[in-house]
Amino acid sequence: NAGVTQTPKFQVLKTGQSMTLQCAQDMNHNSMYWYRQDPGMGLRLIYYSASEGTTDKGEVPNGYNVSRLNKREFSLRLESAAPSQTSVYFCASGDVAGGYNEQFFGPGTRLTVL
Amino acid sequence: SQKIEQNSEALNIQEGKTATLTCNYTNYSPAYLQWYRQDPGRGPVFLLLIRENEKEKRKERLKVTFDTTLKQSLFHITASQPADSATYLCALISGNNRLAFGKGNQVVVIP
Repeated sequence: NAGVTQTPKFQVLKTGQSMTLQCAQDMNHNSMYWYRQDPGMGLRLIYYSASEGTTDKGEVPNGYNVSRLNKREFSLRLESAAPSQTSVYFCASGDVAGGYNEQFFGPGTRLTVL
Repeated sequence: SQKIEQNSEALNIQEGKTATLTCNYTNYSPAYLQWYRQDPGRGPVFLLLIRENEKEKRKERLKVTFDTTLKQSLFHITASQPADSATYLCALISGNNRLAFGKGNQVVVIP
């Protein structure tokens, strides 16, 4: 049981390059989330998907797109990376069926944009 | 505006003592509150959840209180150990079942 997996673990991009961060969960959760974590800012929600086939903007969606490929996979795309997108990105999954939305996090992707 | 506030200063505490962290919130009416632990270079890990109608919740050496009048939760680690050194995040349920996280409070347990 792997939980939430993310690839890659580390990435360095040049300004203007694009990339996709991959996330998969094997806990059969309906909801999936993308966060970024910056020093002094805490975790901020970029996009989320409450269920397969739906996606919604979070607190800081600008410069990002997402795809909920199926129930297991939720990807985050940076179309034209900017230095302000240097951050640690976490994917999480959870199930609000019980009403409490305990979230399970992946190990993170450390992205540097030069 | 909505705020979740945790102490930005690290809490240094002697092994064996009780560490107490505070989470204050403004302009939320959460049905429940969660606490997570985050180790350096790792993702957060869920620890405890407390509902609005619960005053206190315990799990092993952890205790959480929730005062909806004060808009505050306290997180206690009793008999603290060096392995408890980490950053602890509080999180509140926001609109559409999203979680809003505090910035976290680092705990350093000194042997």
